Amino acid sequence: RKEVEQDPGPFNVPEGATVAFNCTYSNSASQSFFWYRQDCRKEPKLLMSVYSSGNEDGRFTAQLNRASQYISLLIRDSKLSDSATYLCVVNKDSGAGSYQLTFGKGTKLSVIP
Amino acid sequence: GAVVSQHPSRVICKSGTSVKIECRSLDFQATTMFWYRQFPKKSLMLMATSNEGSKATYEQGVEKDKFLINHASLTLSTLTVTSAHPEDSSFYICSGKRGYEQYFGPGTRLTVT
Repeated sequence: RKEVEQDPGPFNVPEGATVAFNCTYSNSASQSFFWYRQDCRKEPKLLMSVYSSGNEDGRFTAQLNRASQYISLLIRDSKLSDSATYLCVVNKDSGAGSYQLTFGKGTKLSVIP
Repeated sequence: GAVVSQHPSRVICKSGTSVKIECRSLDFQATTMFWYRQFPKKSLMLMATSNEGSKATYEQGVEKDKFLINHASLTLSTLTVTSAHPEDSSFYICSGKRGYEQYFGPGTRLTVT
């Protein structure tokens, strides 16, 4: 099983649609979780951290299910500017408080007018 | 968010030459910085973890003598690609760690001819 696994897509959705991305991770000791977005030929940018209780930031909602080792990102009312690759990122705790982010390969979203 | 800069943004060099890339955290102190590489349509791959004042930790398969990392201050880390070859052509991205989050620089696109 890959450390962080995502559906590569692409997801092609019309403007205004709601779209959800899923991600699974293999290391049950993982401590923190994030969603980043990456535009073509640009650096990743932190979209939001994912908290155990779930969290929302405007049109974006992130959920974490530790038992199933599963993270999701929901985007409501999609905008053209949401078109990007969304990276699921997990902090792999390899012990002794170490810190290393592991990136999924990303899910590509295209929002169509 | 936090701001990380990288310089240069783009560099073209001849095979056999060395290239230095600078990564600066502009509004926070980054005890730990990371260097990644991303080939076209591939996911980010961690090359090394750089800790201020100590030797970098390299990922398996990354040659430490080829990719020299120096993290001399809390706001600056440098990556030198020595004796670059065409297969080193890639998108090099640094990031700075603040708390449990990472903030990425805009990347350096290296082309070795």
